[in-house]
Amino acid sequence: DQQVKQNSPSLSVQEGRISILNCDYTNSMFDYFLWYKKYPAEGPTFLISISSIKDKNEDGRFTVFLNKSAKHLSLHIVPSQPGDSAVYFCAVRMGSNYKLTFGKGTLLTVNP
Amino acid sequence: NAGVTQTPKFQVLKTGQSMTLQCAQDMNHEYMSWYRQDPGMGLRLIHYSVGAGITDQGEVPNGYNVSRSTTEDFPLRLLSAAPSQTSVYFCASGQGASNEAFFGQGTRLTVV
Repeated sequence: DQQVKQNSPSLSVQEGRISILNCDYTNSMFDYFLWYKKYPAEGPTFLISISSIKDKNEDGRFTVFLNKSAKHLSLHIVPSQPGDSAVYFCAVRMGSNYKLTFGKGTLLTVNP
Repeated sequence: NAGVTQTPKFQVLKTGQSMTLQCAQDMNHEYMSWYRQDPGMGLRLIHYSVGAGITDQGEVPNGYNVSRSTTEDFPLRLLSAAPSQTSVYFCASGQGASNEAFFGQGTRLTVV
């Protein structure tokens, strides 16, 4: 039973446009939410996170939105660049431990 | 700046063979963990450790052993490899209040 769902296996956008990646979770006890980016043949790298006490966190071109009532978070990338092409994983955490539960990932392709 | 180092990068095993995947971090992080990534499955937690001498099971621990004798090293042992353990394995470390887990480059293991 998947606790974290990324329902879009892939997403293709044009350079300069907005990319929106979505993630749904099932357990309301999760209180920290993270996005990781992964290039082929490399390990995942941390991108941005948000705690359950916030509904938005911004870092440059990347913004994460959290809707706790819907158990939904999204990652917005504006403007999208070809270098953003990668697999994006949503991950969730409960409390202060470091056990991360990951979604299956979304492959983002940004076309020049 | 080495970060998290995994060896080997690639390995082919025969069914029933044993081996150890090595993971070392030079950031003095308390927390270390092992994940496996399978196609369409995201990353799943195998085992984790919150400090030297302390380990615990994650989501998919069967067939794997770990130990943590030092802060720096967290090896993953396969006692009797099975084709179902063909996967890409990632080691990660983290520390304190930071939510960022640092991942190694991965070990691609094939069991034939």
